[in-house]
Amino acid sequence: NAGVTQTPKFRVLKTGQSMTLLCAQDMNHEYMYWYRQDPGMGLRLIHYSVGEGTTAKGEVPDGYNVSRLKKQNFLLGLESAAPSQTSVYFCASSYEMGGSTNEKLFFGSGTQLSVL
Amino acid sequence: GNSVTQMEGPVTLSEEAFLTINCTYTATGYPSLFWYVQYPGEGLQLLLKATKADDKGSNKGFEATYRKETTSFHLEKGSVQVSDSAVYFCALSDLRGAGSYQLTFGKGTKLSVIP
Repeated sequence: NAGVTQTPKFRVLKTGQSMTLLCAQDMNHEYMYWYRQDPGMGLRLIHYSVGEGTTAKGEVPDGYNVSRLKKQNFLLGLESAAPSQTSVYFCASSYEMGGSTNEKLFFGSGTQLSVL
Repeated sequence: GNSVTQMEGPVTLSEEAFLTINCTYTATGYPSLFWYVQYPGEGLQLLLKATKADDKGSNKGFEATYRKETTSFHLEKGSVQVSDSAVYFCALSDLRGAGSYQLTFGKGTKLSVIP
């Protein structure tokens, strides 16, 4: 039972490089999310998706793009990485909208990204 | 807007000590409240939740009571174990409209339990 799987687990980029983070879930969840976690900041929502083919902006979307071509996958792209994007990135999924009364989020184990 | 304020850590306790992690919130509506836990090297997991005033959420010996009058949701455990060492996040969820929920996390409190 894999749950939510993120790849890669670690990555170092140079400023201006691009990369894609992959999130895969095997729970047939409709909703998927990308968060970033920074020291002293908690988790902040970057983008989310309410179903295959949909995406929406979260709290801190600038500098990121996402795609949800398949229900089980949610990709986070950085077109031109900046040092301010050094962070730990978490993907999550849920059957119903995260935060609704009877719903909870399932999180991946995170991707540690450093931009030099 | 909504916000969640947690006590700053890190918190270091001896095994079997009593734990309290304070959490207060600001919300415009009637939020649901959650505690998530992040063990080292892992993603967050839901620990407990409460959906209305005076509800008590409990799980694995942890408890938290939704106090609307003090806008608080403090996490407590009577006797902590080394295995409870983790980062704890308080969070609230509020209905934004059209069935859309906003989940807001606190900054997290790191707990270390020493034998």
